[in-house]
Amino acid sequence: DSGVTQTPKHLITATGQRVTLRCSPRSGDLSVYWYQQSLDQGLQFLIQYYNGEERAKGNILERFSAQQFPDLHSELNLSSLELGDSALYFCASSVAGRVGTDTQYFGPGTRLTVL
Amino acid sequence: GEDVEQSLFLSVREGDSSVINCTYTDSSSTYLYWYKQEPGAGLQLLTYIFSNMDMKQDQRLTVLLNKKDKHLSLRIADTQTGDSAIYFCAESSNTGKLIFGQGTTLQVKP
Repeated sequence: DSGVTQTPKHLITATGQRVTLRCSPRSGDLSVYWYQQSLDQGLQFLIQYYNGEERAKGNILERFSAQQFPDLHSELNLSSLELGDSALYFCASSVAGRVGTDTQYFGPGTRLTVL
Repeated sequence: GEDVEQSLFLSVREGDSSVINCTYTDSSSTYLYWYKQEPGAGLQLLTYIFSNMDMKQDQRLTVLLNKKDKHLSLRIADTQTGDSAIYFCAESSNTGKLIFGQGTTLQVKP
């Protein structure tokens, strides 16, 4: 158990809908990262937050947004869902989010299925 | 650009050693990581190596880093059926994000 929690574990929804994925980092970690794992794209970095502020952005679609709250939990919002958004979404956390010196610990993931 | 390459599949017999290879492109990467993903599970951090090291050993795991060739390997000694999983190599970028390889599926035959 990494100490990172994600809810829900599974999510099944229809195209055009909007969902929210939630992540709680390990105790003491200030930085949260979101990754998407799909069969065709592999593991792709989406976005990083540090202590409530956006720090880095990756291959995140405009239909997707995220935020980190004062209690440090984070939410990833996915809207206007398409079939291709079906994937495993991972959250990871690290102590300080420093470049290359922080180890990221991953949650169990949320499996999103868009029908 | 940033890219990490791994072979997709490795099959070994129980008790043998497994060697999973990875090449990366970003020479400024400070840390390189190995993660393990079992079916239906998240990513478990196995080990990591700092870029100024050549080798790191942690029980049955040995990581070798050839910085000149940008080649990283993970050796698992005395491979067990419980080691069957997908192994991901990752490099840290200059923005802190991890760049992952495609993952190597390790099959351990009894």
